[in-house]
Amino acid sequence: EPEVTQTPSHQVTQMGQEVILRCVPISNHLYFYWYRQILGQKVEFLVSFYNNEISEKSEIFDDQFSVERPDGSNFTLKIRSTKLEDSAMYFCASSEAANRLAYEQFFGPGTRLTVL
Amino acid sequence: KNEVEQSPQNLTAQEGEFITINCSYSVGISALHWLQQHPGGGIVSLFMLSSGKKKHGRLIATINIQEKHSSLHITASHPRDSAVYICAVAGGGADGLTFGKGTHLIIQP
Repeated sequence: EPEVTQTPSHQVTQMGQEVILRCVPISNHLYFYWYRQILGQKVEFLVSFYNNEISEKSEIFDDQFSVERPDGSNFTLKIRSTKLEDSAMYFCASSEAANRLAYEQFFGPGTRLTVL
Repeated sequence: KNEVEQSPQNLTAQEGEFITINCSYSVGISALHWLQQHPGGGIVSLFMLSSGKKKHGRLIATINIQEKHSSLHITASHPRDSAVYICAVAGGGADGLTFGKGTHLIIQP
């Protein structure tokens, strides 16, 4: 069964460093998403991506964040200068079409980011 | 902006009991998702509902669009059902899901 994969599973970095989280969405899916979950809190939407551009972003997704689809399979989230409060689990998801049209989202296993 | 509320926040039950988890939301939606999150952190999609009722094995999900309310039921609960169950909604022209805080379910043998 096709699945969304994410690497690495755990990333430890120093405050101020850049990190890139990687995701491989399901191959025939067109919409890609990043979510984050700070420990003990609810999952929050960061950004959606379609047709090689950002479709929607939340207020959390500020200038330190960027997303890219560098090739036909990978979807990346870059955090330019990490802060302590960026420590969280980051989930990638993909769907066949836009979520507002009621399509199921498939989630990756997550990357746990720890900023020291 | 949609507000998603789940109840209860925590639920401990004995194996075999019938479980109900509730979700309410404030703004009209295109779909409601029930998700399961295990201690390792991964999220698995259980159901996506736009109307009515869906059943998968021992899990049943219902939604009442007029009342902006959904329920997730687990019949003949088992310790392996222990997890966090999350309600999330889609719609209002937004791509991203809006999540509830989750219900932490523990089924004791």
